[in-house]
Amino acid sequence: NAGVTQTPKFQVLKTGQSMTLQCAQDMNHEYMSWYRQDPGMGLRLIHYSVGAGITDQGEVPNGYNVSRSTTEDFPLRLLSAAPSQTSVYFCASSYLAGGPTTGELFFGEGSRLTVL
Amino acid sequence: GNSVTQMEGPVTLSEEAFLTINCTYTATGYPSLFWYVQYPGEGLQLLLKATKADDKGSNKGFEATYRKETTSFHLEKGSVQVSDSAVYFCALRGGADGLTFGKGTHLIIQP
Repeated sequence: NAGVTQTPKFQVLKTGQSMTLQCAQDMNHEYMSWYRQDPGMGLRLIHYSVGAGITDQGEVPNGYNVSRSTTEDFPLRLLSAAPSQTSVYFCASSYLAGGPTTGELFFGEGSRLTVL
Repeated sequence: GNSVTQMEGPVTLSEEAFLTINCTYTATGYPSLFWYVQYPGEGLQLLLKATKADDKGSNKGFEATYRKETTSFHLEKGSVQVSDSAVYFCALRGGADGLTFGKGTHLIIQP
């Protein structure tokens, strides 16, 4: 079972460059989300989606864009990277209702981004 | 809004010691509560969960009880092993927006 797949695992950017972090899940989850993890800060929600065509902002959305054109995919775009966006990014998905795993987030392995 | 507070550590214990990691929360309504574990270089894995008051979640010798009266979900294990060394996150989910995490507790178990 693939679960939640993130690419790339590592990326180095220069300030001002753009890039897209890819996320795909094969569990038919309605909900998908992006978190960033920084030392001493825990995980903070960037954006999330409750279904195809629906996205919303989380706690720290500035500098990031998302779209959800299919149930499976939820890419995260950095339009103009800044050093403050150096972090580890996690994609996570879940069912929204029904079943024993409702509410439980399934995480990808993470993408480590460095912005110089 | 929702928030989760947990002891940040690092917490250093000897093998076979008793473990408690405290977690308290603030939330409206009746959230579900979770403990996730992160091993070095990996993503987060669900350790255990509880969806209503007085539920006890358990897995791999770890336990936590959903205490609504004290808004707590403390993680316990009777005898820790070196392989339990990791970062542990307490989290809650109150709605469709996602999980609210504590800052994580780094646990170090010495042989």
